[in-house]
Amino acid sequence: TQLLEQSPQFLSIQEGENLTVYCNSSSVFSSLQWYRQEPGEGPVLLVTVVTGGEVKKLKRLTFQFGDARKDSSLHITAAQPGDTGLYLCAGANWGAQKLVFGQGTRLTINP
Amino acid sequence: SQTIHQWPATLVQPVGSPLSLECTVEGTSNPNLYWYRQAAGRGLQLLFYSVGIGQISSEVPQNLSASRPQDRQFILSSKKLLLSDSGFYLCAWSAGLEQYFGPGTRLTVT
Repeated sequence: TQLLEQSPQFLSIQEGENLTVYCNSSSVFSSLQWYRQEPGEGPVLLVTVVTGGEVKKLKRLTFQFGDARKDSSLHITAAQPGDTGLYLCAGANWGAQKLVFGQGTRLTINP
Repeated sequence: SQTIHQWPATLVQPVGSPLSLECTVEGTSNPNLYWYRQAAGRGLQLLFYSVGIGQISSEVPQNLSASRPQDRQFILSSKKLLLSDSGFYLCAWSAGLEQYFGPGTRLTVT
């Protein structure tokens, strides 16, 4: 069974600080996605990375896919209260119809 | 553009009562459809997925069932709810790598 482990599980920091969230596995994935979920709502897709070593930027968010396609990281620069939420990573396998989700990182940005 | 709807948004049901949650997708054809359950503030547990009308794959043995009577309609059901069925139920659709989620249904079994 493939697993994705996210760390940390909880993170609370002050506005303006930088942070990194990790998503690790012992398995190789064809692609990896990051979602953000706010309380009482469905997850919203932020990015998909498909190439080993790929880096994608979305404003203050930087996503990286590991060279071996087994891990990913999400770095937020100058965090803002609006970044608060549950961040989920999800891995896809070639030809599979379903995703493997990590357990999430609960991020709180304090003003 | 594609949209996904879930209803009801919230539901409070007594133990032993039946359940029917509905999910519909607009703006796409032959999507893959998924039902997830989420415990408070945690990750997603895949319950069922469907790659076509009448085709249902079950991921977790339980007292829930799913049906896909139409291409863009996915229904989650139970004949008798348990306390442990409480949670946040999410429907999602996919046409490729990414999945797109509905707004969810908060189910409380009392």
